[in-house]
Formats: sequence, C-alpha cells, structure tokens
Amino acid sequence: LAKTTQPISMDSYEGQEVNITCSHNNIATNDYITWYQQFPSQGPRFIIQGYKTKVTNEVASLFIPADRKSSTLSLPRVSLSDTAVYYCLVGDRSSNTGKLIFGQGTTLQVKP
Amino acid sequence: DTEVTQTPKHLVMGMTNKKSLKCEQHMGHRAMYWYKQKAKKPPELMFVYSYEKLSINESVPSRFSPECPNSSLLNLHLHALQPEDSALYLCASSQVGPTNEQFFGPGTRLTVL
Repeated sequence: LAKTTQPISMDSYEGQEVNITCSHNNIATNDYITWYQQFPSQGPRFIIQGYKTKVTNEVASLFIPADRKSSTLSLPRVSLSDTAVYYCLVGDRSSNTGKLIFGQGTTLQVKP
Repeated sequence: DTEVTQTPKHLVMGMTNKKSLKCEQHMGHRAMYWYKQKAKKPPELMFVYSYEKLSINESVPSRFSPECPNSSLLNLHLHALQPEDSALYLCASSQVGPTNEQFFGPGTRLTVL
C-alpha cells in the first residue's frame, strides 16, 4: 500500500475554506484515495473517496491531479466543529479486503 | 440503522484477568474489523473478518483472540495483557470489498494495570 504524507497540523478560522494536501508519490494504478475524519475519543468517520479528477459530496471536495501523486481535501467554510484529525489513506481496489492503513493524519484546529 | 455499537465503553483490567470486548452492527455488513489506537497515534489494523472468517491477522500477539460468532457480532477476547496494551480499541464494519466505507464504533477505552 502506498505511503501517504500529510502536514501534522493546520490552523484555520471559522468561515474559511481549508485545503489539506496529501502526498502519495508511490500510488499504484489500482489505488484509490480515501479521507476519514476523527474527533477525540470517537471512531474515524468516512468523508470522501476518489480515484481521479474531482469528487464532491455534501461535506467536502477531493481534488486529484492527473498524475495522482497527491490529493487535496477541501472543506468549505469550516466551523469550530470541524476541529478534528483528518486522515488520508490509499488503498488497493484490486484486493479482496478493506485493509485500511492510516497515516499520521493532520490535526485541524479551527479558531473563532 | 447505521451504527456500530461497542461495549463496554471503558474497561480496567489486571494483567491476569480475562475479559472480552464486544461489537455489534445491524447494517448487513459482512466484513468486520478490530483496530487499536494509542493516544495521539493513528488507528492500527489488528484483524479483519470477511463472511465470519478471519481473513487478516496483522501479527497480533496471541493474548488477543478475535471471534466472530455471527454476521452481526464481533468479539475480542483478552487474556494476560500487558500495560502497553492500554489503548482505544475500535471496531468497524463494511460491505466486503476494498473500496467500501468502513463504519466505526466509538471504541472501548482499555486500561491494563
């Protein structure tokens, strides 16, 4: 499974757009990109998943350039409740299991 | 029902005790997972069950013994644990397959004295 690299921490203010970039230089053809969010003392929660170009849902957008060696999670107009750890994961679509390998994650602190 | 429940929420045990963690889901998922998470670290995969059969064991010590009695339940039996095993133990479930969203429970906070 490809290794991912993310910033350890980020600060933002309420109402701003936040972009968290994840580097995955060794991503393979069959790999997909998934982001999870985790609040303290809770289990991670799925945010978004993509393979290429752009994916958008009600919570976030995921931008993946053509070479797929990085991806950017975009959170529009963050609020205090978006303070959490965000994990970027790269997984193999061709495998038979849902094996998730979490990287170190990015701790996002949203300030008032 | 899109919830994964875990009991107990907190557990304190001695190194000679035997205890079990329980996980339950009613989403019809046929893949279930155990993760271990130490403070300020990412979750680490321990076991994966697919169709009630153990499919992945990430070289976990034998003092951790998983069990999947049916498609809705997952247990983790604990015996002769060490203080360094103190952590948050997370259960998750998903449809079988590599790309499917995993639904996590709130975890059991385990302290080994």
